[in-house]
Amino acid sequence: AQKVTQAQTEISVVEKEDVTLDCVYETRDTTYYLFWYKQPPSGELVFLIRRNSFDEQNEISGRYSWNFQKSTSSFNFTITASQVVDSAVYFCALLSGNTGKLIFGQGTTLQVKP
Amino acid sequence: EPEVTQTPSHQVTQMGQEVILRCVPISNHLYFYWYRQILGQKVEFLVSFYNNEISEKSEIFDDQFSVERPDGSNFTLKIRSTKLEDSAMYFCASSEGGSNTGELFFGEGSRLTVL
Repeated sequence: AQKVTQAQTEISVVEKEDVTLDCVYETRDTTYYLFWYKQPPSGELVFLIRRNSFDEQNEISGRYSWNFQKSTSSFNFTITASQVVDSAVYFCALLSGNTGKLIFGQGTTLQVKP
Repeated sequence: EPEVTQTPSHQVTQMGQEVILRCVPISNHLYFYWYRQILGQKVEFLVSFYNNEISEKSEIFDDQFSVERPDGSNFTLKIRSTKLEDSAMYFCASSEGGSNTGELFFGEGSRLTVL
């Protein structure tokens, strides 16, 4: 079975704090892709990153960084020096196969207070 | 920057009515998808579509739902005889290749409210 678990339902931080959003996935496939999407209050889904299962290199993009660890089936997302504009729901998602069926986690609501 | 566009952004309908949600995928994309998000819940896969046919559908996508690519640009989701529980945000997405070769681009969503 394929599953994505985001155990943190809501996180509240104060601006400039670092915050890590957890994502744990389950799949039997050897080839798969992991994604993070941001959903701001306006409702659209904003693509943040895609990683394939063969690339465990961590990635940094500005204040965002991702830690992919196959050994623990985790793909965690860290925001450094958080800002109020980071307030949103963040979804982790898993894709395997070729049909576009993304399996989303339940989402983590991040609130960054000024 | 090319984008997926969806219309309407919000539709209110009475229970039992038929609804058509429209999507214009990115022009050179070949794979199309519909996802659904009930308010406050996670995003759920409905259906994928390639080469004018459904390639995969979820258990949610029953006979009440259908998809169509009536011309070279539009990709539609039809919901027959809407129910209260169909109220949700519906996202269209497209990708250039199969989803394991590229990013899924999502539209901004169509919010459906069934009264």
